[in-house]
Amino acid sequence: EPEVTQTPSHQVTQMGQEVILRCVPISNHLYFYWYRQILGQKVEFLVSFYNNEISEKSEIFDDQFSVERPDGSNFTLKIRSTKLEDSAMYFCASSEGGGRDTQYFGPGTRLTVL
Amino acid sequence: RKEVEQDPGPFNVPEGATVAFNCTYSNSASQSFFWYRQDCRKEPKLLMSVYSSGNEDGRFTAQLNRASQYISLLIRDSKLSDSATYLCVVNTQYGNKLVFGAGTILRVKS
Repeated sequence: EPEVTQTPSHQVTQMGQEVILRCVPISNHLYFYWYRQILGQKVEFLVSFYNNEISEKSEIFDDQFSVERPDGSNFTLKIRSTKLEDSAMYFCASSEGGGRDTQYFGPGTRLTVL
Repeated sequence: RKEVEQDPGPFNVPEGATVAFNCTYSNSASQSFFWYRQDCRKEPKLLMSVYSSGNEDGRFTAQLNRASQYISLLIRDSKLSDSATYLCVVNTQYGNKLVFGAGTILRVKS
């Protein structure tokens, strides 16, 4: 069964450093998403991406964040200058279509900012 | 008011029990509704979509009441493997973002 994959599974970084989280969505999917979950809290939407541009973003997704689809398979989330409060699990998701289509989640990258 | 509200639990039930979870949502424009399951430190996994007519998948039954903005999940004949956090999730008509509830913890004990 096709699945979303993410690398690395765990990333440790120093405050102020840049990190790039990588995702490979399901191959025939056209919509891509990033969510995050701070430990003990709910899953929160960050951004959705379709047709090589951001279609929606949340208040959390400020200028420190960016997304890119550098080639036909990868979808990346970059955090330019990490803060302690960026420590969280970051989930990538993809869906075949938008709207009501099911979003399938990857296993997540645990980001720890020291 | 939170966008999606759930009773956090935990619900501690014996194997074989029937357990019901409820969820309310605040945005009347919400169009799609789901129950996801999340195991500890893992990704959310779709359990089932929820339709206005209600739907059943084996031991799981989901109901939607649009007038009350209320969603429910019923689990019959609970198994140890059902122990997890159950996430109520909604999606608005005009966007693709999923809005998650904080989850309801279920612990099934032998």
